[in-house]
This record gives sequence, C-alpha cells and structure tokens, in this order.
Amino acid sequence: NAGVTQTPKFQVLKTGQSMTLQCAQDMNHNSMYWYRQDPGMGLRLIYYSASEGTTDKGEVPNGYNVSRLNKREFSLRLESAAPSQTSVYFCASSTYRGSNTGELFFGEGSRLTVL
Amino acid sequence: DQQVKQNSPSLSVQEGRISILNCDYTNSMFDYFLWYKKYPAEGPTFLISISSIKDKNEDGRFTVFLNKSAKHLSLHIVPSQPGDSAVYFCAASPYFLTESGSNYKLTFGKGTLLTVNP
Repeated sequence: NAGVTQTPKFQVLKTGQSMTLQCAQDMNHNSMYWYRQDPGMGLRLIYYSASEGTTDKGEVPNGYNVSRLNKREFSLRLESAAPSQTSVYFCASSTYRGSNTGELFFGEGSRLTVL
Repeated sequence: DQQVKQNSPSLSVQEGRISILNCDYTNSMFDYFLWYKKYPAEGPTFLISISSIKDKNEDGRFTVFLNKSAKHLSLHIVPSQPGDSAVYFCAASPYFLTESGSNYKLTFGKGTLLTVNP
C-alpha cells in the first residue's frame, strides 16, 4: 500500500535551473496539495487541487506552477529555482469531508536545495 | 498574519506524565481542527481531530479540547511515552466547498517539539 509517493526524495539545483516534483496517490482521493516546510515556519500551502481539473493558489504560490495531470498525479514545477525555495516539500491528498476524519495523507517529503 | 499559532516551540516531559500542547487560532471561519505528528525525515501523520460542534474528542491516550470562545485548543497525552517524542502540528480548516463536494484546506501552526524523557 504505497499511499502518497513523491519523487525525487532529494535534489540539488543551481539558481535558475528548473525542475518538477512528482506526486502520485493510489487512494482514489479527490484533492491533492503541495506544502513546503521551513525551519520555524511550519507547513505552508503552495497550491492545491480540490478535484481533477482544478488548481488554486495557496499561501505561498510565487515561483511555482502545478499540474493536476489526472486524478492520481499532481506535479509541482519550479521554473527558475531560487535559494529561497530551499525547503522540504510535501505532497498530500484527501477525500471529501464526511467520508473521513479530516486527515490529509502526506508523502515522505522531497528535500530540495538551491545553491 | 499567522492564523494558527503554537506559541511553545518545544516541551519536555517525563515518561508517564501528562503532555499538554496548546494552539490558538484567529480565523472565525475555521470549523475543523486537527493535530498531526511528525517524526524526522517522515511526512506528518494524522493524530486526532475535532469539529467545532464539540468541545472534546478522545482517542486512547490522546484527547483534544476545543474552547471556541477563546479560539483555543489543546492536545493532552496521558500517559506520555518516549515514542511520543515528535513535532506536533496543530491545523485548522474552514468549510471548503468545491464543485464536487466539501473538502479540507488546512492551515498549520509552526509546530511544537515534544520530548518525552524515560
């Protein structure tokens, strides 16, 4: 039972390079999310997709783009990486309120360093 | 503006005693509150939740209390065990309606590092 799978787990980039973080879930969840975690800042929402075909900005969307490729997959793209984007990125998924206790299921995280 | 605040970055307790983690929120639209637990190098995992229509929810050693008038919630762990040592995040969600149904849009606090000493 894979749950939420993120790739890659580690990545080092140079300033200005681009990359895509991939996320896939096998729980048939409707909603998917991208969060970043920085020391002393908790988890901050970057983008979310409430359902297949929709995406919306979260708290810190600048410098990122997302694609909800299908119900299973939600990718996060950094077009021109900056050192401020050095962080641990978490993908999560959830199903509808009323059908669960409210939990988001998180992946193991992707640690990105931008030099 | 921080909508979910965990003012204690860390807490240390002895094994067997009670751990109390606190959380305050400012957004009156929040109607669902959750606690997540995170070990190093892992993703957060759901621990317990509470709806705004309740003031207490209990699950084994874990109890969450909600005081809506004070916009405050707390997580009690009794008795605390060394395996409980982790970062605990408080999170809150408003009622979030989409075309396909209502869902969650969580805002997290900064977390509290709990250390339970043997």
